[in-house]
Amino acid sequence: DGGITQSPKYLFRKEGQNVTLSCEQNLNHDAMYWYRQDPGQGLRLIYYSQIVNDFQKGDIAEGYSVSREKKESFPLTVTSAQKNPTAFYLCASIGGGETNYGYTFGSGTRLTVV
Amino acid sequence: AQRVTQPEKLLSVFKGAPVELKCNYSYSGSPELFWYVQYSRQRLQLLLRHISRESIKGFTADLNKGETSFHLKKPFAQEEDSAMYYCALSQSSASKIIFGSGTRLSIRP
Repeated sequence: DGGITQSPKYLFRKEGQNVTLSCEQNLNHDAMYWYRQDPGQGLRLIYYSQIVNDFQKGDIAEGYSVSREKKESFPLTVTSAQKNPTAFYLCASIGGGETNYGYTFGSGTRLTVV
Repeated sequence: AQRVTQPEKLLSVFKGAPVELKCNYSYSGSPELFWYVQYSRQRLQLLLRHISRESIKGFTADLNKGETSFHLKKPFAQEEDSAMYYCALSQSSASKIIFGSGTRLSIRP
């Protein structure tokens, strides 16, 4: 059963802590993406990666970091430098780098700062 | 700059009434346009693409390049259509998709 798996579903972070959100896909997709979803603001692109060992900043990359050591995995680290990290985070992928086929999305991780 | 605008944050209509969710975009080239939908407790999923010219769940969307619009329409709303809808855009062979701010559609019985 192919798809994108995000974990954990819910994550709580203390002030000053770094946390890592997992995103794994078994679709053999080349490109992977991280978006942040906030009420009234839609989806904003954080980082994306079109091939292994390469990634680019999106529109709101400050306070976040990523790695792409394997094709299947694209973890997102929310660092203590991110001033407002409480949000719903979505991972997506696309095959062949062709966006006209649309994304496949994961089920998301809700991060809350406590 | 590329931009997608969804002017309505919330749209509420009665069951059986026509639905139109508005989407306008700004882009100088030939865009690829999409509608995504997120039902309660489900993941965000692709509803339709303009290049497919398809009707999905009774919804259609026509790309109007003159008005730079890609409104989503359905002649008779059903209660199960209640969801969050996002309009999105990418340029052909681009590496990323840009999303609008979303419209919450609520169908009243």
